[in-house]
Amino acid sequence: ETAVFQTPNYHVTQVGNEVSFNCKQTLGHDTMYWYKQDSKKLLKIMFSYNNKQLIVNETVPRRFSPQSSDKAHLNLRIKSVEPEDSAVYLCASSQGFQYFGPGTRLLVL
Amino acid sequence: GQQVQQSPASLVLQEGENAELQCNFSTSLNSMQWFYQRPGGSLVSLFYNPSGTKHSGRLTSTTVIKERRSSLHISSSQTTDSGTYLCALVLNNYAQGLTFGLGTRVSVFP
Repeated sequence: ETAVFQTPNYHVTQVGNEVSFNCKQTLGHDTMYWYKQDSKKLLKIMFSYNNKQLIVNETVPRRFSPQSSDKAHLNLRIKSVEPEDSAVYLCASSQGFQYFGPGTRLLVL
Repeated sequence: GQQVQQSPASLVLQEGENAELQCNFSTSLNSMQWFYQRPGGSLVSLFYNPSGTKHSGRLTSTTVIKERRSSLHISSSQTTDSGTYLCALVLNNYAQGLTFGLGTRVSVFP
């Protein structure tokens, strides 16, 4: 049962462009996350966010920023993409047990 | 170094064989989860298992906190079990997200 939705599935862009990925959860959870899965397949937390607190992984470059309109939505914006941003970006939500979306695959040319 | 170590890195099975996947962690944890990642990339949660043993169909997860390890047992493997199995830790609280291992890639052949 899909309860965390991500769009787009796949995005190709050029170096320097701005991109934005959407994530919505219908589970009523308070906390949402963005993870990056690189070419070596390691999944790393980028951000976690609830209505009180944003926790940022200190290794995340400043060109990445989360954007939330309400607790069901957490979008990811990348200002001026770079080649190393090519990866799969996974959104999740949790109130203990984490549920993941299908991911957005980004290719930067 | 890597806080979550998974072994083996890959595993080849003939359909019907059993398998045991290991997850060792170098730090104390709040809880842990096992996931299955399909070849297309989506993650399916298998177990949320802070301690003890849990069963789901042909899968069994056992976590021993004081020994800092968890295992995932697959019995009577099927070709549809092929994919990557990931373990992930909740270190302090769930608001800080999960710390993942690199996974075990399982290939099951008929």
